[in-house]
Amino acid sequence: QQQVKQSPQSLIVQKGGISIINCAYENTAFDYFPWYQQFPGKGPALLIAIRPDVSEKKEGRFTISFNKSAKQFSLHIMDSQPGDSATYFCAASIRAAGNKLTFGGGTRVLVKP
Amino acid sequence: EAQVTQNPRYLITVTGKKLTVTCSQNMNHEYMSWYRQDPGLGLRQIYYSMNVEVTDKGDVPEGYKVSRKEKRNFPLILESPSPNQTSLYFCASSFVGAPYGYTFGSGTRLTVV
Repeated sequence: QQQVKQSPQSLIVQKGGISIINCAYENTAFDYFPWYQQFPGKGPALLIAIRPDVSEKKEGRFTISFNKSAKQFSLHIMDSQPGDSATYFCAASIRAAGNKLTFGGGTRVLVKP
Repeated sequence: EAQVTQNPRYLITVTGKKLTVTCSQNMNHEYMSWYRQDPGLGLRQIYYSMNVEVTDKGDVPEGYKVSRKEKRNFPLILESPSPNQTSLYFCASSFVGAPYGYTFGSGTRLTVV
């Protein structure tokens, strides 16, 4: 059973558009929610993260929205650029339980010029 | 440069032939972990280590072994590989209690025929 469910599996967006990726989790003990970006041939790299006491976090063109009651969080990529084409993973962790990250299934994003 | 180094990057092997994938980090991290990445399933944890001589199973440990004799190294051993272990493997490291500080290697693509 996947503890973190991610959708969609893939999406195509035009340059300048908004990419939206959604994740839902089961375990209410999760208290750290990062997003990772992965380019072909590379390992995942931390993009942005949020804690459940915050409803939104923005870093440049990337925004995480967090809905604790619905157990959902999402990544918005504003003004999407071709260089944003990558696979994005949401993840969740229980900080007091160690460093384990539980990942969603991933979303492949293609930004067309 | 701070990094996690995996070798080899690509490996094709036959069923039953023992192999080792090496992982080394130069950041003095206590925590190291192995993940496998499969389409639609995201990254799933195989084994992890909180420090030297301390290892434990992740979510999908069957068919794998690890050891942690030195702080910087965390090899992944497949004693009798099978085709269902064909996957993309990532090693990651961080300081204990710092899941936001994960650093991933560049990956090892393993094919078992």
